[in-house]
Amino acid sequence: GIQVEQSPPDLILQEGANSTLRCNFSDSVNNLQWFHQNPWGQLINLFYIPSGTKQNGRLSATTVATERYSLLYISSSQTTDSGVYFCAGLYNTDKLIFGTGTRLQVFP
Amino acid sequence: DGGITQSPKYLFRKEGQNVTLSCEQNLNHDAMYWYRQDPGQGLRLIYYSQIVNDFQKGDIAEGYSVSREKKESFPLTVTSAQKNPTAFYLCASGQQGLGETQYFGPGTRLLVL
Repeated sequence: GIQVEQSPPDLILQEGANSTLRCNFSDSVNNLQWFHQNPWGQLINLFYIPSGTKQNGRLSATTVATERYSLLYISSSQTTDSGVYFCAGLYNTDKLIFGTGTRLQVFP
Repeated sequence: DGGITQSPKYLFRKEGQNVTLSCEQNLNHDAMYWYRQDPGQGLRLIYYSQIVNDFQKGDIAEGYSVSREKKESFPLTVTSAQKNPTAFYLCASGQQGLGETQYFGPGTRLLVL
């Protein structure tokens, strides 16, 4: 079946620390995307990254499509980075399948 | 400003009542989507529409209905057949068929009285 698995499920950091979030997906899923859901529920797209590496400020993402995984790097974490990070893969070119998320808490 | 709006922010439903959640976008996107999120869980697809006057069931369509009469609007009705409707509902839109990103509205929290 279609699978999008994320690890770790929970992550607690002190401000300034770095972290790596992982997303594994099955071979029927393509076009990985990363989202951040803030504590108020708003979902924001971070990266559309079917393959390769992209960087946006303190965040970067790498997808190795041939090995079916994607990584999200957060450097110098801030309290505003708190929330839930989801990866999602495109299935059948029109449906996003979401992982169960990584809940990040950053403390000052 | 371009974006997606959802209303209301909070909605209370009585037993046996149908309620409708609004979703409007002015991004000129062809595709629109409705997701349900339960506490501590990921998003599950309820319905999606790739073009006006057409829509398809997602993974958890039972107890829900939608319409797509206008490109900008994709309302979701939670019917009395949905026995456990308490959840956070998110609407999204995107360019159909391009595999590009989806943009999400702020969500509606539905609670059963």
